[in-house]
Parts: sequence; C-alpha cells; structure tokens
Amino acid sequence: DIQMTQSPSTLSASVGETVTITCRASQSIGFWLAWYQQKPGQAPNLLIYKASALETGVPSRFSGSGSGTEFTLTISSLQPDDFAIYYCQQYNTYFTWTFGQGTRVEFK
Amino acid sequence: QVQLQESGPGLVKPSETLSLTCSVSGGSMNSFYWSWIRQPPGKELEWIGYIFYSGSTKYNPSLKSRVTISLDTSKNQFSLKLTSVTAADTAVYYCTRGTMTTVAFHVWGRGTLVTVSA
Repeated sequence: DIQMTQSPSTLSASVGETVTITCRASQSIGFWLAWYQQKPGQAPNLLIYKASALETGVPSRFSGSGSGTEFTLTISSLQPDDFAIYYCQQYNTYFTWTFGQGTRVEFK
Repeated sequence: QVQLQESGPGLVKPSETLSLTCSVSGGSMNSFYWSWIRQPPGKELEWIGYIFYSGSTKYNPSLKSRVTISLDTSKNQFSLKLTSVTAADTAVYYCTRGTMTTVAFHVWGRGTLVTVSA
C-alpha cells in the first residue's frame, strides 16, 4: 500500500500570511495527487487535482506543485474562510485511492 | 449542476449489513466513476470503493471481503452494502463522482452518519 504523510498536522497562521502544506508518498505516484478542503460538518471540497490543476471555481490563491513523492499545497494571503482541514489524496496504478491524515489550519 | 444525496438507516446493529443509496440528480451517470468514501468521527477519509458507469468495480483491499457497490442507471442511483459491521464502521459515509481523466473526486454528497450500535 502507498502511504501518504502530511505535515504539519496543525498549522497556526494569521490572515494575509502564505502557508504551505506538504504531502509525501511512500513511493512515486507521478502527478496523481489531489487536495481537498474540509470545514466542520461539511463534505470535503476539491481544490487541486493532478498535483497542480486548479478546480473550477476555486480561488487562485490556492496552488499546488510537486511530482513523484513530494507535493505541496500553498495558500497565498490566507483569508478567514480558509481556516479548515486540508487533505491530500493519491491515486495509484492499482486503481485505489488513499488520503493523508489531514492538516488543520487554525487562527494564530 | 449535478447533486448527490445519500440515504439509508442511521443506526445499524453489530454483525448486520449497512446499506446506503446515493441518488444522482442534474446529470447523467455515464462516463463517470461513482465512489463511496467514509470518515469516522474526528478521523481522516477512507476510500471504500467505486463503480464505473459500465458496471466494473474496485474496492479498498482492507474492506473488499465485506463490500458490494452496485449501480442502477435507470434510477440514477448507486448503492453500498457493507456486511458484518462493527463499531469501527461508525462513520459519515459520502458518495462522490469522479472522472478517470483527473482521478479526483469532484462532486460530493453531504454525507450521512451511520452509527453501529446495539
């Protein structure tokens, strides 16, 4: 099984800051990585797919990069609406999906 | 705009079968794959399995022996059955839609909490 490790598990930041979340895969997954945002009591919402493609309707302050085993999600100029939990998700050639353990972005 | 809605019992007894249905509105089921994902309270997301519009399926190896996902395109629905449930199966269950070109989950239902308890 491919394991996904996110870091940090919690991130404290202020409005206007730029934050970065990292996701590492236990083996290469090419660019088959997505990022989701989840707010309390809500379903996850897709932000980024194929490592760096922005989902329609998602603000451009969200960006993704990486390939192989290391990926990052960057939120530029953090907004009050961005305080949430973020998950990475990988897809592999065995046709299965795995999620990371999540990163909570909280108000400093 | 396509919308997904999960339905089914919110309480299931241990050792029984959990059954959920996802109703799809606002779009066709063709050319997409339809997945179930769950999230135990306070924990991360776990992919359960998918069914392609053609009817082919793939399940999480950790759940494969207990899971069946089926499709009824005439009703615009797909379903999940999970047998021999235990308290560890207590979770919010989401139905989702994805595409094979992006292998991501673009559309989600609101989720339904299923509690396994006697």
